Amino acid sequence: DTAVSQTPKYLVTQMGNDKSIKCEQNLGHDTMYWYKQDSKKFLKIMFSYNNKELIINETVPNRFSPKSPDKAHLNLHINSLELGDSAVYFCASSQMADQPQHFGDGTRLSIL
Amino acid sequence: DQQVKQNSPSLSVQEGRISILNCDYTNSMFDYFLWYKKYPAEGPTFLISISSIKDKNEDGRFTVFLNKSAKHLSLHIVPSQPGDSAVYFCAASEGGSQGNLIFGKGTKLSVKP
Repeated sequence: DTAVSQTPKYLVTQMGNDKSIKCEQNLGHDTMYWYKQDSKKFLKIMFSYNNKELIINETVPNRFSPKSPDKAHLNLHINSLELGDSAVYFCASSQMADQPQHFGDGTRLSIL
Repeated sequence: DQQVKQNSPSLSVQEGRISILNCDYTNSMFDYFLWYKKYPAEGPTFLISISSIKDKNEDGRFTVFLNKSAKHLSLHIVPSQPGDSAVYFCAASEGGSQGNLIFGKGTKLSVKP
């Protein structure tokens, strides 16, 4: 009964490829997020969706496109992968934007 | 430009003693602060929070103190247990920021038996 689940856990791919990471939450939360943790270990927000609508987009390259088919899912699609995209990507959700966020276990993306 | 700073990358404490993790911030508009705990290969887990209208919040062994004038908060764990060994992240947000949490870099706590 995982609250926030991400797939896959590991993703190894070549530069230039397109890939997707899926996220689902079963907490009934209205708001979902994507974070990137880079090699320096900083966790930085990328996107936030509230009830399927984008509310935060933190100057992320437009190669990254979040898609929310319903409020329980927020998938991350990345086009033309670059070496600098190697990181751990975390999905999170919260009941409302000003409440604690619950995180998935992360997806480690490695670009060869 | 780090708005949330955790200047100690690591901390080692003996089991049963107090662990004190520190966090400084620069943005005076922050009004909500959280601590998260993270084990390897897992996502951060929410631990405790405090709003800027309070200066202390306690939950079991965990207490967060907020000093707004110094733009400083700390997490106290008493007594520390080996299972508390993890990376602790401090995070902050502004009211109306729609959940935009700004995280510190984390402090790795090791509690020795």
